[in-house]
Amino acid sequence: AQSVTQLGSHVSVSEGALVLLRCNYSSSVPPYLFWYVQYPNQGLQLLLKYTSAATLVKGINGFEAEFKKSETSFHLTKPSAHMSDAAEYFCAVSDGTSYDKVIFGPGTSLSVIP
Amino acid sequence: GAVVSQHPSWVICKSGTSVKIECRSLDFQATTMFWYRQFPKQSLMLMATSNEGSKATYEQGVEKDKFLINHASLTLSTLTVTSAHPEDSSFYICSAIGTSGSYEQYFGPGTRLTVT
Repeated sequence: AQSVTQLGSHVSVSEGALVLLRCNYSSSVPPYLFWYVQYPNQGLQLLLKYTSAATLVKGINGFEAEFKKSETSFHLTKPSAHMSDAAEYFCAVSDGTSYDKVIFGPGTSLSVIP
Repeated sequence: GAVVSQHPSWVICKSGTSVKIECRSLDFQATTMFWYRQFPKQSLMLMATSNEGSKATYEQGVEKDKFLINHASLTLSTLTVTSAHPEDSSFYICSAIGTSGSYEQYFGPGTRLTVT
């Protein structure tokens, strides 16, 4: 069975500072990994995905994540936080089967302090 | 491309009534759609997996007679909350996977249900 943990339910950073959101996964097969962002009262938007190609994945809005198999991690980073980055972020895992369900982590709320 | 819509975006209903939420893939055909429920400040909880032309597969603990799912076409799935109660108030989100075999889910904007 797959699972996802996100360390830190709430993270605060100053505008312009590094953003680091942590994600660890558990999977019995090589996983597909995703990061989604959700703004209040909206659906989810895909930031980036790992699908067994390059371990460093670049996404939208300046975000990137690195797949580390030895650490079973897929942390999300952004060099410089913007106010518009304040949102809820979800890490998710799938076993890669086309029609299989995706398991979401509990989410991390990111606040950006001006 | 790959746009998923939901209707309505929000709905208020009285306890005991039924509410239908539609999920449509606007520019692609979706053989599989998923329905999620999200409580405030919480993550998405998968309720069921809906495949076109077949019965939905419900997750453990989800009442299939209360949350009726129909996936009658490759572009439309509906979730009907029957005999709604205040505890059914939540944010319901659908997602869809296209027929190309892509593993990526495309999410709808969600429907806020409030039962009074």
